[in-house]
Order: sequence, then C-alpha cells, then structure tokens
Amino acid sequence: EVQLVESGGGLVQPGGSLKLSCAASGLSLSSQSMNWVRQAPGKGLEWVSHISSSSSTYYADSVKGRFTISRDYAKNSLSLQMNSLRDEDTAVYYCARGAFDNWGQGTLVIVSS
Amino acid sequence: EIVLTQSPATLSLSPGERATLSCRASQSVSSYLAWYQQKPGQAPRLLIYDASNRATGIPARFSGSGSGTDFTLTISSLEPEDFAIYYCQQRSSWPLTFGPGTTVDIK
Repeated sequence: EVQLVESGGGLVQPGGSLKLSCAASGLSLSSQSMNWVRQAPGKGLEWVSHISSSSSTYYADSVKGRFTISRDYAKNSLSLQMNSLRDEDTAVYYCARGAFDNWGQGTLVIVSS
Repeated sequence: EIVLTQSPATLSLSPGERATLSCRASQSVSSYLAWYQQKPGQAPRLLIYDASNRATGIPARFSGSGSGTDFTLTISSLEPEDFAIYYCQQRSSWPLTFGPGTTVDIK
C-alpha cells in the first residue's frame, strides 16, 4: 500500500524559510514523478510544483524562484524548500504522486507576524 | 496558463438524483483532464483521469466525458457519501491548473 506522509509545517514569519518533507512507503520515489499541491484556508486547490522521474522540475509562477522541489534518495522522501515566504503562502501543503492517484494528509504552513 | 471554469458553483440535489458537473478550459487540453473529490478535512481523491477513465476503486456511478475544452463529470445516482466538492484539473501543459470547484450539497 502506498503511503505519503508530509511533515515540516508550522508558523513562520513573512520573509522566512521552511522546508517540507514527504516520506513515502510502498513505492520508490527515485522512479516516481511527484507533486506539491496547496490549499489556502477555505479555498480551492493550487498546484505548486512537480519533479519528474528524470528530475526535471516545474513550478507555479506564484512560487517560482522562491520554492525548490527535490528528492532525498537515501530517505525515500520528497522535499519542498520554501524561501521568502509571504502571507499568501499560508495553506495546507499536500504531496501527491505524479498521476495524483495518491496523496498525503497534508501539512499546514502559516505565514504570519 | 490554461484557465478552468466549473459550473455550477453549487449543485443542490437529493440522494438518488443524477449530478452533472461541467468544466470548461480556456484552450484545448485534448483529453488531459482529471476530476477529484474532496471532503472536509481530507485530501483530494482522484476520480477520473484522461477525461473518461475511472481511477482504481472508483464506483461505476462516476463517469467522465468530453475532450478539447468541454468536459462533464456525471454521478448517475447520488449516494450520501458523494456530497462533497469536485475539482477538475488539466494536465495538458505547465503550469497545471485546477478549476475553482463545484460543491454538491444535500437539497
């Protein structure tokens, strides 16, 4: 059974940094494309970033240049390094398999002073 | 960026009724359109991919159709557990985008 578990969320001040992780079990992330999707409180879904099986990366314009997606092969995990955080980055962040057929439960990021 | 529009915003129906949800794209996405269901406090669940293919474990009462710019998700007979928010998503080009969602609530 595939399981994805996000961690690393929390409260951070505007301009600060945070690194999210997504631990995978039941699949090897080294051969998977993966995504980050976020959902602001009471709002809809917003795709954030994708890393392909060959490690090509793609970003939403709203996070380009501030967020970096990567894999940790040793830990079989996915990461999202978030820098220069803004109030509007406040959201639940989900990791999802490339085909979006498996999702984690999400981790909440709050950007506030 | 491809913009997805969903209609109606809210659909109020009774259990057993048929639900028809629409998703329109600002330009052609071919058949690279997916549908998701989300309930409060839960992650989204993939229902349909490539416009008309049911994901693993999805009941047959859910069906998808369309291509190009106009797509439909149909729930043939609503079960109590189907009352939720439904999102469409295009996977045709970067950035991937989601529609704003349709809420299916109990009449």
